Amino acid sequence: AQSVTQLDSHVSVSEGTPVLLRCNYSSSYSPSLFWYVQHPNKGLQLLLKYTSAATLVKGINGFEAEFKKSETSFHLTKPSAHMSDAAEYFCVVSGLSGNTPLVFGKGTRLSVIA
Amino acid sequence: GAVVSQHPSRVICKSGTSVKIECRSLDFQATTMFWYRQFPKQSLMLMATSNEGSKATYEQGVEKDKFLINHASLTLSTLTVTSAHPEDSSFYICSARERGTIGQPQHFGDGTRLSIL
Repeated sequence: AQSVTQLDSHVSVSEGTPVLLRCNYSSSYSPSLFWYVQHPNKGLQLLLKYTSAATLVKGINGFEAEFKKSETSFHLTKPSAHMSDAAEYFCVVSGLSGNTPLVFGKGTRLSVIA
Repeated sequence: GAVVSQHPSRVICKSGTSVKIECRSLDFQATTMFWYRQFPKQSLMLMATSNEGSKATYEQGVEKDKFLINHASLTLSTLTVTSAHPEDSSFYICSARERGTIGQPQHFGDGTRLSIL
């Protein structure tokens, strides 16, 4: 079975400071992992993905994440927060086959303070 | 990039009305689409997996007669909320995975805000 744990339900940072959103996963095989962002009343937008290639993954809008198998973690980071980064972020692990659904974390709400 | 179009974006209707939501993959074929429901300040809850040309697979606790899913082509899945009541008010999101892309990300529609009066 697979599971995803987002360790913080809410993170608040000042504009211009680093962002760290934590995610730990559990999987019985080599997983594909994703980070999605959701702005209010919108669908989910893919930020980045890990699919067994480079462990440091760069995504859109300056975000990146590092896959650490020994720690079963896939934390999302950004060097400098922008006001437009305020949103809900979901860490997600892929199902084993094309017909199996994604497994979502509970989400982390990022607030950015001016 | 792959685009999923979901329509309508917002629906407000009276109790007892049936509402149809469409989910289209615009530039790729999707043998599988997923329907989610999201309550305020919560994560997405999978309702059903829609497979082209076959019956949808519903998650435990989701009424298949209440939430009718049709996936008649490789680019279109529909969710019909039958005889909707206020407790069905929610944000519904669809997603699609490109055929032959196991382990690759799903693409999400922009969601439908359903409000039942």
